[in-house]
Amino acid sequence: KNEVEQSPQNLTAQEGEFITINCSYSVGISALHWLQQHPGGGIVSLFMLSSGKKKHGRLIATINIQEKHSSLHITASHPRDSAVYICAVTSNTGNQFYFGTGTSLTVIP
Amino acid sequence: NAGVTQTPKFRILKIGQSMTLQCTQDMNHNYMYWYRQDPGMGLKLIYYSVGAGITDKGEVPNGYNVSRSTTEDFPLRLELAAPSQTSVYFCASSQTRTMRYSGSPLHFGNGTRLTVT
Repeated sequence: KNEVEQSPQNLTAQEGEFITINCSYSVGISALHWLQQHPGGGIVSLFMLSSGKKKHGRLIATINIQEKHSSLHITASHPRDSAVYICAVTSNTGNQFYFGTGTSLTVIP
Repeated sequence: NAGVTQTPKFRILKIGQSMTLQCTQDMNHNYMYWYRQDPGMGLKLIYYSVGAGITDKGEVPNGYNVSRSTTEDFPLRLELAAPSQTSVYFCASSQTRTMRYSGSPLHFGNGTRLTVT
């Protein structure tokens, strides 16, 4: 079983829709990360959080430490949001990162 | 700052050939990592380094070697390429762990797409 599980694996949305991607983890963490990977491209860090909520533009990330769960929300989705979104955690036992397998998002105009 | 720079972007190797994937960062990060990404799988750690002169194995180190002679550079060496090493390779770096460690962002290179035939 992976230390980090994401759902859904694939997601297709119409432009303008509100999108939620979920992440659950099973290890103790010091931080959770949301990453974005465009097709054929590199990986970019969107958020790092250890409690509460963070917002950047149309993206919102939340984390519930007690439930070991995080969500990434995209408001007013746009085709340029189409990418793979990866959840990762930093373990609290060392500087190790564990990665989910990613959620592939396609936003249709 | 350029961040994390990886070269080459693409490479095709024949079975048994060797090559070095280069990685350099200009953020003075002590922690550096090599990951491989296979279709449908999460990133898997190959090797990591907590500082110059110090390296350690990750989850999937077989068939690879690394060195860390400087803070900036962390090359990954494939000695005898095998088809199972066909993958996308990412180098990453993060800040030093501190006493009040609360995690630090990972900075990734743009990846190297390697095909072994």
